[in-house]
Amino acid sequence: RKEVEQDPGPFNVPEGATVAFNCTYSNSASQSFFWYRQDCRKEPKLLMSVYSSGNEDGRFTAQLNRASQYISLLIRDSKLSDSATYLCVVNRDTGTYKYIFGTGTRLKVLA
Amino acid sequence: EPEVTQTPSHQVTQMGQEVILRCVPISNHLYFYWYRQILGQKVEFLVSFYNNEISEKSEIFDDQFSVERPDGSNFTLKIRSTKLEDSAMYFCASRGTGGSNQPQHFGDGTRLSIL
Repeated sequence: RKEVEQDPGPFNVPEGATVAFNCTYSNSASQSFFWYRQDCRKEPKLLMSVYSSGNEDGRFTAQLNRASQYISLLIRDSKLSDSATYLCVVNRDTGTYKYIFGTGTRLKVLA
Repeated sequence: EPEVTQTPSHQVTQMGQEVILRCVPISNHLYFYWYRQILGQKVEFLVSFYNNEISEKSEIFDDQFSVERPDGSNFTLKIRSTKLEDSAMYFCASRGTGGSNQPQHFGDGTRLSIL
């Protein structure tokens, strides 16, 4: 079983739609969680950290469910510029804080 | 906003040659990383570096790979004798001190093409 699993998509949604992505992780020792965005052939860019109580940043909301070992990302009022691959990232507090990446979920927002 | 910078942006090398990929992490960061991403695949951890030594490395990071922080600003990844399967995007990342919630910041990558 992969340590971090995501549905690769693609998710094709119209502008203005709400879309949600889930990610599951297998290692219960995982400590911290992030969503990164990656445009084609570019570097991962931090979208948001995911906190236990859930957190919101503008149109983006992240949730963490430790009991079920999944995290989610909700995007409201999708824009064309939201088209990208969304990477679920987990890190275990081994002292090195290395990242374990999911394969990413591809989102295409259509005009 | 401070950023991680990587050079070169694209490196084309013959199989068997040595390559050095360079990174300048964010200046007050203390943890440094190299990751790679083969085309169409996920980003994979290679190595982490802290306090002037390797703190963890993956199975990919074999004897052909080495890292160095030769001065106070650069962080390099060397591949001694490149193979075709080393062709990938290589990302450098750095993070500051603080707990596990501190995010890593990535450079814009070096595309390595082995012929």
